[in-house]
Amino acid sequence: GDSVTQMEGPVTLSEEAFLTINCTYTATGYPSLFWYVQYPGEGLQLLLKATKADDKGSNKGFEATYRKETTSFHLEKGSVQVSDSAVYFCALSRGLIGDYKLSFGAGTTVTVRA
Amino acid sequence: DVKVTQSSRYLVKRTGEKVFLECVQDMDHENMFWYRQDPGLGLRLIYFSYDVKMKEKGDIPEGYSVSREKKERFSLILESASTNQTSMYLCASSLGSQGRLYEQYFGPGTRLTVT
Repeated sequence: GDSVTQMEGPVTLSEEAFLTINCTYTATGYPSLFWYVQYPGEGLQLLLKATKADDKGSNKGFEATYRKETTSFHLEKGSVQVSDSAVYFCALSRGLIGDYKLSFGAGTTVTVRA
Repeated sequence: DVKVTQSSRYLVKRTGEKVFLECVQDMDHENMFWYRQDPGLGLRLIYFSYDVKMKEKGDIPEGYSVSREKKERFSLILESASTNQTSMYLCASSLGSQGRLYEQYFGPGTRLTVT
């Protein structure tokens, strides 16, 4: 079945450091890919998405490129801030008519120190 | 903006009690979902619904039921709460077939403790 694998955390960084969170997926067909962020005490928010191969999603300084050849969707940010401390989830949807479920990775906790 | 609200942020119940978790969305979304979130396990799908009065089991439906009497409201029911149902419960909605948009919008979550 479809699945998403994220790098294990926790990840601890200093402010202004470069952040990468690896995400690989297994799916049949042509899934859409998402990154969600969960700030402490809150629900998940959509951070960015990509719906086809080579698409790049970007938002709030974060970027991820849909790589079909490596089945990956790694999240990157060039200079993190303390406010980026959160749990990040990679997710996919198969994109099939009538199937609107998402498969989530286990989440990666990121802590940014001042 | 899409708004998904959940009836409680924190809830404490006793073992054996019947528990209702309510979720309401205000964007006329067709699809609604209930997840539980536990450390190290990510999000696990309990039940989902693609239409009023329609429901389908997700990956971990045991011990839970749901109700969708109106399009905007999706309720999760724990018939007889147990301590292993202590968790964070997240509700989500998505647009459905018309726009072919699959991203889900989440509520703030309900942290349920069963003692």
